[in-house]
Amino acid sequence: DAGVIQSPRHEVTEMGQEVTLRCKPISGHDYLFWYRQTMMRGLELLIYFNNNVPIDDSGMPEDRFSAKMPNASFSTLKIQPSEPRDSAVYFCASSPGLHSAYNEQFFGPGTRLTVL
Amino acid sequence: AQSVTQLDSHVSVSEGTPVLLRCNYSSSYSPSLFWYVQHPNKGLQLLLKYTSAATLVKGINGFEAEFKKSETSFHLTKPSAHMSDAAEYFCVVSARGGSQGNLIFGKGTKLSVKP
Repeated sequence: DAGVIQSPRHEVTEMGQEVTLRCKPISGHDYLFWYRQTMMRGLELLIYFNNNVPIDDSGMPEDRFSAKMPNASFSTLKIQPSEPRDSAVYFCASSPGLHSAYNEQFFGPGTRLTVL
Repeated sequence: AQSVTQLDSHVSVSEGTPVLLRCNYSSSYSPSLFWYVQHPNKGLQLLLKYTSAATLVKGINGFEAEFKKSETSFHLTKPSAHMSDAAEYFCVVSARGGSQGNLIFGKGTKLSVKP
């Protein structure tokens, strides 16, 4: 299994531009999570999906952020317009389910976003 | 509500000496507990997981953790540190409730290993 795949690995953009981050979860995993990691705030959960449906988006910073999961094998996190304070590493993770026997999350390598 | 506290933000050990990374949790039920490791510029990797089957959990790379309900602790240990263990370690507790499936991460402990 290739694990969770994220693209791009690095993104440098200018303030005001639209940024789209992509994630392919592990096949068969019903849950998908988006996290943001910064030095100041650590690891923050932004949103998560169950069977392609957003369950909790309370961590999304503001309306500039949006996430979609059009099918079981693909999700996007979009920032429009981007701002310098959005600079961070964004992780996608997937999980088989809720039962304690298999609720661990598997993380992708992350996308390092720099907004100038 | 569930929460997790990592008691040290930074731990420094010498190569070959024991490692102890401390974690306390708060939960109103019997939770799942995890340790994840993040090497520089990498994603998070699962080290080990507790799910009530056994209180002493063995993970990868020689790490283990002991669940102590009376102390609400889940400390991570390793008998002998290796240079490659230098990384950030996260203690994690499972959230609960309805359709929620998310994990609650501690602030992380950065482990440095001196030669």
